[in-house]
Amino acid sequence: QQQVKQSPQSLIVQKGGISIINCAYENTAFDYFPWYQQFPGKGPALLIAIRPDVSEKKEGRFTISFNKSAKQFSLHIMDSQPGDSATYFCAASTMIKAAGNKLTFGGGTRVLVKP
Amino acid sequence: NAGVTQTPKFQVLKTGQSMTLQCAQDMNHNSMYWYRQDPGMGLRLIYYSASEGTTDKGEVPNGYNVSRLNKREFSLRLESAAPSQTSVYFCASRETGDEQYFGPGTRLTVT
Repeated sequence: QQQVKQSPQSLIVQKGGISIINCAYENTAFDYFPWYQQFPGKGPALLIAIRPDVSEKKEGRFTISFNKSAKQFSLHIMDSQPGDSATYFCAASTMIKAAGNKLTFGGGTRVLVKP
Repeated sequence: NAGVTQTPKFQVLKTGQSMTLQCAQDMNHNSMYWYRQDPGMGLRLIYYSASEGTTDKGEVPNGYNVSRLNKREFSLRLESAAPSQTSVYFCASRETGDEQYFGPGTRLTVT
C-alpha cells in the first residue's frame, strides 16, 4: 500500500514548456513535503520542499503547489530545460522527532525535456 | 568533504550468499538511513538510525540487518541473499534539519 501516489510515471516536454507532476497522500500526520531530483547513476538530491502552512513555494523555475484539504501537492517546472531531464520523486514525512523523519516516497516521474 | 560514500558501487551475488553494504558520512550527522529503489516503487526505507547506538525498522526490513558502527558508519547486511533483493541501495544521512543527503548508491544483482 503506497501512502504517496505520484503521477505521471513519465512525461516528455519541449524545451521552454511546463512540466507538471502530481502527488497525493493519505496520512494526515504528514507535515513535510519535499521533492527530490535524481540524475542517472546518482543519488537523489533535495530540490525544493514545503510545509502545510503555505499553499505555494517557489524557487527559481521550480514551484510547489499544496492543497491540504485535497491532500495533494504538485511540482511545476517552468521554462523546462534539457538539463532538467531527470527522475523526480515526491515524498512526505512527519517532523515529529520520535518518528525519525522517515520519508515516504512516491513512485517517481521520469522527465525528458526535448531541445 | 565527501558527503555520503557507499561501497561497493556494484555487486553480483548468488542466491544464499551474504554481503555487507558499507556507508559512511563525514558531515557529523546523527541520523542515517538505508533505502532500496525499485522501478515504479520509488525509494522504500529499510532501516534507520536516529543516533549512534540506535536502529529501527523501516517499511521493508525483512531479510536485512544493520549496524550503526559509530557516528560516521551505518552498514546494511544481507545474510542470505534472494533474487527479490536485487535493487539499488541508497544510504542517506541527516542532521537536525529536514534535508536528507544521499550517497551514490550500490547496484546489487542477486542471481
